[in-house]
Amino acid sequence: EVQLVESGGVVIQPGGSLRLSCAASGFTFDDYAMHWVRQVPGKRLEWVSLIGWDGFSTYYADSVKGRFTISRDNSKNSLYLQMNSLRGEDTALYYCAKAHEPRDGFNAFDSWGQGSLVTVSS
Amino acid sequence: EIVMTQSPATLSVSPGERATLSCRASQSVYINLAWYQQKPGQAPRLLIYGASTRATGIPARFSGSGSGTEFTLTINSLQSEDFAVYYCQQYNNWPQGYTFGQGTKLEIK
Repeated sequence: EVQLVESGGVVIQPGGSLRLSCAASGFTFDDYAMHWVRQVPGKRLEWVSLIGWDGFSTYYADSVKGRFTISRDNSKNSLYLQMNSLRGEDTALYYCAKAHEPRDGFNAFDSWGQGSLVTVSS
Repeated sequence: EIVMTQSPATLSVSPGERATLSCRASQSVYINLAWYQQKPGQAPRLLIYGASTRATGIPARFSGSGSGTEFTLTINSLQSEDFAVYYCQQYNNWPQGYTFGQGTKLEIK
């Protein structure tokens, strides 16, 4: 069974930095691209970032480009999101999600974690 | 950016009846369209990908159709566990983004 468990969400001041982690199990982690998606409670989902299965290809939403960095450690079955220069509008529940097809990040997301809450507030 | 628009915002249907949810893309996404179900306090769950292919373990009462800019999710014989929020998502316009619709809340009538 696929399991994705996010951690690292906290209350943090504007301008601060934070790293989210996602521990994966139940599948061959290094065969799949991985995503971060965020959601303000009660609002629509917003895709944040994608990293290819090998870690070399990364993509970002315009809203986080230049501030967030996605990475992965395939030896640890872990995904990360380094979040810098945080703003109030980054407040959301952050989900990690697995690509549906192996070795192809450009498809649907077939497994999601339960999310990690990031609150940016002074 | 491709904008995804879902309608209606809220749909009230009685158990046992059929629900039809719509999703429109601002430009063609071919069949690169997925549907997700989200219940309160839970993560989204993939229902449909490729516009019409059911994900693993999804009951046959869920079906998707459409291509280009117009898509439909149909849920036959609604069960109590089907009342939730449903999102469509396009994954055609990468790497610019994987945009989601604003959601349709399916509620018990």
